[in-house]
Amino acid sequence: AQKITQTQPGMFVQEKEAVTLDCTYDTSDQSYGLFWYKQPSSGEMIFLIYQGSYDEQNATEGRYSLNFQKARKSANLVISASQLGDSAMYFCAMRPIGMSGGSNYKLTFGKGTLLTVNP
Amino acid sequence: EAGVAQSPRYKIIEKRQSVAFWCNPISGHATLYWYQQILGQGPKLLIQFQNNGVVDDSQLPKDRFSAERLKGVDSTLKIQPAKLEDSAVYLCASSRTPNGELFFGEGSRLTVL
Repeated sequence: AQKITQTQPGMFVQEKEAVTLDCTYDTSDQSYGLFWYKQPSSGEMIFLIYQGSYDEQNATEGRYSLNFQKARKSANLVISASQLGDSAMYFCAMRPIGMSGGSNYKLTFGKGTLLTVNP
Repeated sequence: EAGVAQSPRYKIIEKRQSVAFWCNPISGHATLYWYQQILGQGPKLLIQFQNNGVVDDSQLPKDRFSAERLKGVDSTLKIQPAKLEDSAVYLCASSRTPNGELFFGEGSRLTVL
């Protein structure tokens, strides 16, 4: 079974500053992928960044970077130079990377963190 | 390329009534997912289809929820009879393969009074 924990229900950041959103996970799978999604008030889930468990380098995508610490089972999202449009819910998620059966790829989400960017 | 389409966007019903949600995935995507997102929580997988077959429906409350994907393209999720605790956003997602990237629709927000 997989479990994602996001301990910050809400976070505030000033525009142009950096912010870190925490995510810890628990899994018995040897290979897995970690994801971050953004969900604005419109409701759509927008994929931000992906980290594979065997990737040696931390993933980066523009202003987003993933601080992956495998031994601590943490996958924190760092947003640099925050913008007003970054205000949204952010979800950490994971799925196993297996070779058999579609159900093995089930994506499990955390409860999310509501980020508010102040001008 | 068109995204995942869902309808209706909003629905308000009274408890014990029925409701149906429709999802049209991205063309060519064989895998389709329905997620339930209760306010303040992350999405929870209800059912996963591979073409027109069910891969995982372990968290679908089968006494009141049903879903089908008859021709392996669009899908319908039905709730009958609805309960107050079914108030949530129902997200549809699709992927080209079971381990491929998920693309989500905008969701259908259900309010049960």
